[in-house]
Amino acid sequence: SYELTQPPSVSVSPGQTASITCSGDKLGDKYVCWYQLKPGQSPVVIIHQDNKRPSGIPERFSGSNSGNTATLTISGTQAMDEADYYCQAWDTSTVLFGGGTKLTVL
Amino acid sequence: QVQMVESGGGVVQPGRSLRLSCVASGFTFSSYEMHWVRQAPGKGLEWVSVISYDESKPYYADSVRGRFTISRDNSKNTLYLQMNSLRAEDTAVYYCARILIGTTGFGMDVWGQGTTVTVSS
Repeated sequence: SYELTQPPSVSVSPGQTASITCSGDKLGDKYVCWYQLKPGQSPVVIIHQDNKRPSGIPERFSGSNSGNTATLTISGTQAMDEADYYCQAWDTSTVLFGGGTKLTVL
Repeated sequence: QVQMVESGGGVVQPGRSLRLSCVASGFTFSSYEMHWVRQAPGKGLEWVSVISYDESKPYYADSVRGRFTISRDNSKNTLYLQMNSLRAEDTAVYYCARILIGTTGFGMDVWGQGTTVTVSS
């Protein structure tokens, strides 16, 4: 079965750039979305269609997807960006989530 | 405003059943495919099931296929998840979420607040 692999954790200093990867076989052939999940809240989609930001999502969030890897990039990371991040793709008619990455802003 | 509210969670013994509901408001419910996604304690998001706008195409994760049934009533703007033969590993917060039909690659842009299911003896 198809799997999406994310690093369990990523650390970044405030103001720096954080990159979170999501790997899967020929993932570049699929659309990828990214979600932010903070404790006690519901998930929020921050990137869809690989690299598009929904209305209201800050410009510091960007995405790319090529080959076997999709990447979420957070430029000028802020303390409020500390959260769990999940990639999501489609496998035929079902949906897959990556295992999630905990972003720590040190 | 646009919102979805889940209900029906609770504590249930292994092997028993539970039905979750998700009531939508503020948007045209029948224009969206609807999903159930869950998060077990200390774990990541796990997709559970999807149903098309007209109920013609339900799909399930391997972990719940044959035990869970997704359905919807567009006249009541309500999504359901009938969960049978519950197991301890079904313990999770269950979210409903929507994706606009006729789109490709769009994410789940609105989520409910979640309802907690605990399977324990």
